[in-house]
Amino acid sequence: GAGVSQTPSNKVTEKGKYVELRCDPISGHTALYWYRQSLGQGPEFLIYFQGTGAADDSGLPNDRFFAVRPEGSVSTLKIQRTERGDSAVYLCASSPRTGGRDTQYFGPGTRLTVL
Amino acid sequence: DAKTTQPPSMDCAEGRAANLPCNHSTISGNEYVYWYRQIHSQGPQYIIHGLKNNETNEMASLIITEDRKSSTLILPHATLRDTAVYYCIVRGRQSDSWGKFQFGAGTQVVVTP
Repeated sequence: GAGVSQTPSNKVTEKGKYVELRCDPISGHTALYWYRQSLGQGPEFLIYFQGTGAADDSGLPNDRFFAVRPEGSVSTLKIQRTERGDSAVYLCASSPRTGGRDTQYFGPGTRLTVL
Repeated sequence: DAKTTQPPSMDCAEGRAANLPCNHSTISGNEYVYWYRQIHSQGPQYIIHGLKNNETNEMASLIITEDRKSSTLILPHATLRDTAVYYCIVRGRQSDSWGKFQFGAGTQVVVTP
């Protein structure tokens, strides 16, 4: 079946602009996660949703970052007033639910470059 | 969640078994050990996970020591396509949910012909 998809695959923007990154989880998966990966490092947790609500947003670096999942399926990560330090690969993952034995399935990521 | 320690890199000959170690000495009783790998420019790919028993699937085997303070991921017959960064993650319950994975730097595995 279809895996997690993310659009766009690449996004180039200028410092100070607003960007939206989209994640389509695997159908039926109730949990959705966003991570950020800088060059040479492992993915860093940002936020996760259980259904429509953000169950843990402790990884969002500051209030320029915001994410929504209004219908419990597709999620959008929004970054305001982008800075060069926001350049990274943004990864989305989904799982059937949250639990110790539940596996997260990752999408290919969106590479964001802030000039 | 408990922290993990992995060697930064290792080489493996094609066709041979690759044994990837991971230390997680502060693991607690309800924490699972997960392994993911990330091939260049792709998202992380799930390999295997376990709690205390050894596990095997079509990709790999996971050996967890009896005290659960370390584990080894075994790729039985490494191929060139197994070249990737391998992450060992310990995942536990925080408050009322399991939630996130905390990735470290992983082990860069290079399989050579």
